[in-house]
Amino acid sequence: GIQVEQSPPDLILQEGANSTLRCNFSDSVNNLQWFHQNPWGQLINLFYIPSGTKQNGRLSATTVATERYSLLYISSSQTTDSGVYFCAVERLGTASKLTFGTGTRLQVTL
Amino acid sequence: EAQVTQNPRYLITVTGKKLTVTCSQNMNHEYMSWYRQDPGLGLRQIYYSMNVEVTDKGDVPEGYKVSRKEKRNFPLILESPSPNQTSLYFCASSLWQGTDTQYFGPGTRLTVL
Repeated sequence: GIQVEQSPPDLILQEGANSTLRCNFSDSVNNLQWFHQNPWGQLINLFYIPSGTKQNGRLSATTVATERYSLLYISSSQTTDSGVYFCAVERLGTASKLTFGTGTRLQVTL
Repeated sequence: EAQVTQNPRYLITVTGKKLTVTCSQNMNHEYMSWYRQDPGLGLRQIYYSMNVEVTDKGDVPEGYKVSRKEKRNFPLILESPSPNQTSLYFCASSLWQGTDTQYFGPGTRLTVL
């Protein structure tokens, strides 16, 4: 199956700092999503981004499908950004099966 | 409010006692899916359904059953739970099959003793 690797596995930031999270995948995809799992366990969809660039407030994401990676940018981080960020992909030609990476755990401190 | 609901949110049970975790969505979504989350392993797909009466196995289907008799409901059934099924379970739905934003339920934390 497709392999999904996220880096870094852990990240500690001071409030106000910027960060870049990376997702590498081993095969062509037709679906890529970024999720945030908050400290209470809730999973929130951040972006549906199989290719191109999207922005939503302080967050933006870029997927370069031909080079098999995606980046999530967090600017001016806040303590509410803490949690685990997951990348999930659906391999091209497979039906309806999202494969998740193991996540990047982010802690934003005051 | 558009949402995916799961019940129960927390469950402690014993080995072999059949249980059902319910999942319901009010967004008229075609696609629904179940995942389990374990430390260090991320989320792994158990089963998914592309429409009523259409279900298929994900990556870790052993020990689980599902049914999709109505569009809004997608229950997860553990016929004979074992301790290795202790996990955090999530139900998700999306408008179309997979190639769309997925919305997750709040999760069900299951402990099998």
